[in-house]
Amino acid sequence: GAGVSQTPSNKVTEKGKYVELRCDPISGHTALYWYRQSLGQGPEFLIYFQGTGAADDSGLPNDRFFAVRPEGSVSTLKIQRTERGDSAVYLCASSSGQTNTEAFFGQGTRLTVV
Amino acid sequence: AQKVTQAQTEISVVEKEDVTLDCVYETRDTTYYLFWYKQPPSGELVFLIRRNSFDEQNEISGRYSWNFQKSTSSFNFTITASQVVDSAVYFCALGPGGAGSYQLTFGKGTKLSVIP
Repeated sequence: GAGVSQTPSNKVTEKGKYVELRCDPISGHTALYWYRQSLGQGPEFLIYFQGTGAADDSGLPNDRFFAVRPEGSVSTLKIQRTERGDSAVYLCASSSGQTNTEAFFGQGTRLTVV
Repeated sequence: AQKVTQAQTEISVVEKEDVTLDCVYETRDTTYYLFWYKQPPSGELVFLIRRNSFDEQNEISGRYSWNFQKSTSSFNFTITASQVVDSAVYFCALGPGGAGSYQLTFGKGTKLSVIP
């Protein structure tokens, strides 16, 4: 597709379970970002990939959160032992990797932990 | 520390009215970038504009215009002759300048409702 694709669009999980959220960036984009948006708030930075490596993971809230991008394209955000406070919309964005070029966002995955 | 404040939580206007969305930022960087994004009900963030801290010229794009004032650390966004399709949440964001400047700090957003 032409844009950033995120799956699933909605995910409901029980507290304590493990979840994976997938992001398909725009083809050829080397930079990929994950953000988290809680209700009524602006997006908050989680992690940034340049190619296959995590260039900055300073926004990950704790060690239950982990993200990978093994082939430099698709990325997976993994959350272990989910908590109700993890409920949010998780947004993925990609850009060409040049400094401060436009980042294109996906429609997000709405995660609800019950 | 970077901070973006959008003091207006919600604004309602009648179609064809002009509306200005305020954005005030804080940063210690001498080089930085400012952004506006639109988030319609579908949830996707749509890029509207990026402005370099060295460029204080105002910009106009159709019905949209932006007023960047470094002296007051503000980057306000005006929609002229608003339309129902403009209804969305609008976010102002701040990004650091220089190589690897990828991490955006967003404000809490302003929800704009344009009433027909």
